[in-house]
Amino acid sequence: KQEVTQIPAALSVPEGENLVLNCSFTDSAIYNLQWFRQDPGKGLTSLLLIQSSQREQTSGRLNASLDKSSGRSTLYIAASQPGDSATYLCAHWVDSSYKLIFGSGTRLLVRP
Amino acid sequence: KAGVTQTPRYLIKTRGQQVTLSCSPISGHRSVSWYQQTPGQGLQFLFEYFSETQRNKGNFPGRFSGRQFSNSRSEMNVSTLELGDSALYLCASSLTPPGGAFFGQGTRLTVV
Repeated sequence: KQEVTQIPAALSVPEGENLVLNCSFTDSAIYNLQWFRQDPGKGLTSLLLIQSSQREQTSGRLNASLDKSSGRSTLYIAASQPGDSATYLCAHWVDSSYKLIFGSGTRLLVRP
Repeated sequence: KAGVTQTPRYLIKTRGQQVTLSCSPISGHRSVSWYQQTPGQGLQFLFEYFSETQRNKGNFPGRFSGRQFSNSRSEMNVSTLELGDSALYLCASSLTPPGGAFFGQGTRLTVV
């Protein structure tokens, strides 16, 4: 069974901290992996897409890495801000099934 | 470039009724997929359409159906609504999976 696990489920940090969100998956033969952000009651905003041939992607203060051999991806957020408070979800595409498998998310609160 | 548009944003229906949700993908994107999000089950895949063809369907009862039109717009229909169908329904469009998925703001369905 293909599963995605995100640890921790919730995180509360003071503003300015650098933090790491973890995502692990059981299927080593994944296609691309994507990180999303979701604000309460809203849709998903795509943050980073890591293609299966890549090891990492960066956008501003965000950096995501992918290690297919160990079944892990991490999202690094530098110098966190209160506006970063949201739920962060990772998901990977399943080969030839045209669907994303999602983790349950990490709920982040950045305190001013 | 306009994003993914879902209508309506909110719906309240009574048990036994049926409902139709609409999704307009990003211009040029031919793949549209639907997901159901609930607090207990997280994000679950409903189905995916590409060029008017359903290529994959998730593990949902036959009351859940969808279709895609020649302009790539998609609709999903839920018949004989049950209380457990209350959820946020999210639509995603992709140029070609497993490329990046872009989500709409969702339709919040409440069944009473």
